[in-house]
Amino acid sequence: DAGVIQSPRHEVTEMGQEVTLRCKPISGHDYLFWYRQTMMRGLELLIYFNNNVPIDDSGMPEDRFSAKMPNASFSTLKIQPSEPRDSAVYFCASSWASGDTQYFGPGTRLTVL
Amino acid sequence: KQEVTQIPAALSVPEGENLVLNCSFTDSAIYNLQWFRQDPGKGLTSLLLIQSSQREQTSGRLNASLDKSSGRSTLYIAASQPGDSATYLCAVRLMEYGNKLVFGAGTILRVKS
Repeated sequence: DAGVIQSPRHEVTEMGQEVTLRCKPISGHDYLFWYRQTMMRGLELLIYFNNNVPIDDSGMPEDRFSAKMPNASFSTLKIQPSEPRDSAVYFCASSWASGDTQYFGPGTRLTVL
Repeated sequence: KQEVTQIPAALSVPEGENLVLNCSFTDSAIYNLQWFRQDPGKGLTSLLLIQSSQREQTSGRLNASLDKSSGRSTLYIAASQPGDSATYLCAVRLMEYGNKLVFGAGTILRVKS
């Protein structure tokens, strides 16, 4: 299996622009997670899906952030408009079942100027 | 609110030494605890997952223990190698929040050859 795939790996954008991060989970995994990692706050869960349905989005920082999972093999995390404080590494992870090991993608390093 | 603390924040040891990384959490109501490894610029790799009913898990040179009542876990690495150099993170899965993982800030390990 190719593992969790994220794109792009690096994104540099200017404040106010829309940013879309993409994730393809491991085939057969029912759970998908979006995390954000910064030096100040460490690794934080933003939102997770079960069978394409958002279950807990309490970690989404603001209405500027939105996430979708239109099918079992694809998810997006969108930031509109982006701000410099959104600069971080965003990880996607997936797992087979509730409480099972989560497998992480390589991350997308986002820089907002 | 669950808080996860990892000590030490950084550790440097000579090759061949046995070492222990510590993780503590404030709320003992957890489903399980995971130890992850993160290499620079990469995603997280799951090392060991300990269910709340278990006391320890072993994989090769790694041994993780869990004492839920005292809110502590340790990761023991035997005969350390330069390839073990990475950041090690522990994460607890909370019982009342479904699949939410709360991460510690990590321990940066450097094994010198």
